[in-house]
Amino acid sequence: AQTVTQSQPEMSVQEAETVTLSCTYDTSENNYYLFWYKQPPSRQMILVIRQEAYKQQNATENRFSVNFQKAAKSFSLKISDSQLGDTAMYFCAFTPNYGGSQGNLIFGKGTKLSVKP
Amino acid sequence: EPEVTQTPSHQVTQMGQEVILRCVPISNHLYFYWYRQILGQKVEFLVSFYNNEISEKSEIFDDQFSVERPDGSNFTLKIRSTKLEDSAMYFCASGNSYGYTFGSGTRLTVV
Repeated sequence: AQTVTQSQPEMSVQEAETVTLSCTYDTSENNYYLFWYKQPPSRQMILVIRQEAYKQQNATENRFSVNFQKAAKSFSLKISDSQLGDTAMYFCAFTPNYGGSQGNLIFGKGTKLSVKP
Repeated sequence: EPEVTQTPSHQVTQMGQEVILRCVPISNHLYFYWYRQILGQKVEFLVSFYNNEISEKSEIFDDQFSVERPDGSNFTLKIRSTKLEDSAMYFCASGNSYGYTFGSGTRLTVV
């Protein structure tokens, strides 16, 4: 079975500092995609960053970057220069890539991040 | 930027009633999904829809649930005879080769 594990239920960080959220996953697939989604109190699901498993280069989106370790099946999210608006639940998610067709997302349980002024 | 639109944003229904949750996916997306998030818990996959038929469904998606794309643009989730444990946020998502876009969700409260 494919699973996603987020081992940190809650984290906090001071404004302007850097924080890293952990995610590990289990799959026998070789081709897949990994995502981080942000869910603020409004409960909307917002895509933060996306990584394709065949790409060795870690994805980066402005202050957000990932450390993708395929052999270790690890996909952590680093938030630099944390802002108050980053306060949210963060979900790691996985989907296999079946030759181009799109599977469903498998989510971790989430990490609640609080950014403190 | 294109959006996935869900209506209503909040629905309260009596136990045993039927509800229909509506979604308008992004127009050039081919894959459509419904997910559920019970308060304080993780997001769970319900069903995926491709080429006008269900492509995959989870164990949660039993005979109580059905999906339709009635007019080529809307994508609906029907829950027959709602139960208290159906209270949750329901998210619609649509996808293309890049990824998935979620709607803002419908908060369903069964009383």
